[in-house]
Amino acid sequence: GQQLNQSPQSMFIQEGEDVSMNCTSSSIFNTWLWYKQDPGEGPVLLIALYKAGELTSNGRLTAQFGITRKDSFLNISASIPSDVGIYFCAGPSGNTPLVFGKGTRLSVIA
Amino acid sequence: KAGVTQTPRYLIKTRGQQVTLSCSPISGHRSVSWYQQTPGQGLQFLFEYFSETQRNKGNFPGRFSGRQFSNSRSEMNVSTLELGDSALYLCASSFTSSGANVLTFGAGSRLTVL
Repeated sequence: GQQLNQSPQSMFIQEGEDVSMNCTSSSIFNTWLWYKQDPGEGPVLLIALYKAGELTSNGRLTAQFGITRKDSFLNISASIPSDVGIYFCAGPSGNTPLVFGKGTRLSVIA
Repeated sequence: KAGVTQTPRYLIKTRGQQVTLSCSPISGHRSVSWYQQTPGQGLQFLFEYFSETQRNKGNFPGRFSGRQFSNSRSEMNVSTLELGDSALYLCASSFTSSGANVLTFGAGSRLTVL
């Protein structure tokens, strides 16, 4: 089935630093979603992207829908401790409502 | 409005037993999807229900089944449990069953099989 490749798998950053992560696919996606999952909880939607080239912000988070439609990027500015968690990219694929990447685990050092 | 509610949150079973998990979607949402999350495989799609009909199914054995009721609540069942079925089972709801739909997830049911 469709696979989404996320990188990096994990990252340790200092509080206040900016963070960048990305997601790539071998096939075109028409929608890119970014979710965050806190320990013991389900994923929560952060940003939804529906158009190639689209750049959307949600507070300190900014995500972009790649122009090739095969990738997406998520940036977090001025990280804070509550940014800790696992970030997933996702998109609809065939008969699957959403396929997910394996996630980027973010740790913030105060 | 209330979010997606999953029960139970935690449960422990032994091999060979069966388990039923419940999901109440957001009010007005008619589509319910189920995912299995494990450290090794990540989030994997189990099945999707819309208006009491299974619309799509992932690549899981027949031991995994589900259903949806007229009030959109959904249950999934796993029979003859195996150790590898230990996972976080996530339910998600959406208003419709369409490609550009955003899924809203519950907190999950964590199943441990001993």
